[in-house]
Amino acid sequence: SQQGEEDPQALSIQEGENATMNCSYKTSINNLQWYRQNSGRGLVHLILIRSNEREKHSGRLRVTLDTSKKSSSLLITASRAADTASYFCATDPGTGGFKTIFGAGTRLFVKA
Amino acid sequence: DAGITQSPRHKVTETGTPVTLRCHQTENHRYMYWYRQDPGHGLRLIHYSYGVKDTDKGEVSDGYSVSRSKTEDFLLTLESATSSQTSVYFCAISESSGELFFGEGSRLTVL
Repeated sequence: SQQGEEDPQALSIQEGENATMNCSYKTSINNLQWYRQNSGRGLVHLILIRSNEREKHSGRLRVTLDTSKKSSSLLITASRAADTASYFCATDPGTGGFKTIFGAGTRLFVKA
Repeated sequence: DAGITQSPRHKVTETGTPVTLRCHQTENHRYMYWYRQDPGHGLRLIHYSYGVKDTDKGEVSDGYSVSRSKTEDFLLTLESATSSQTSVYFCAISESSGELFFGEGSRLTVL
């Protein structure tokens, strides 16, 4: 079973708009991470937020974490066509061995 | 880019044949993982390793075995491939931070 579940499953926006993706998880975590996957490629790490953090920024990315609601959101501001990809949240449940568990992902399409 | 190489990148085989996928890293990271990716399921952990000869099962380990005889190599073996094991397999590595670095994937088709 998946720990993280992203919402929406797919998102289509115009270039320049903001894109928001949400992730919910089931158990307590050490950290939550977001990854991007371009078609036919491996996943690339975007950002990690620890369980004691509430918000983190990296360039055009903003991640929030609400451990009371067991949820996180990824905001991409001023989207570009190059942001078209699948985005996955991943959680480290802290059970030892760093068994990071991934959600099914959100497919983002940014129209030029 | 993290030095992770998966081989083969593409393989077509028949049901019942053994298959071994190899993951090689040049980063000297302690942890290595095998995931499979299927539509609608995201990535699911098959096995992982936390050191040489130290491995543990993941979420979907049935039908798979792994070995790690050297820090840099992590092998995934399907003893007798089945059509349900048709998938894209990803190797990943990490250190204690938990951030994973992924290979480019190995696409396996079992006919």
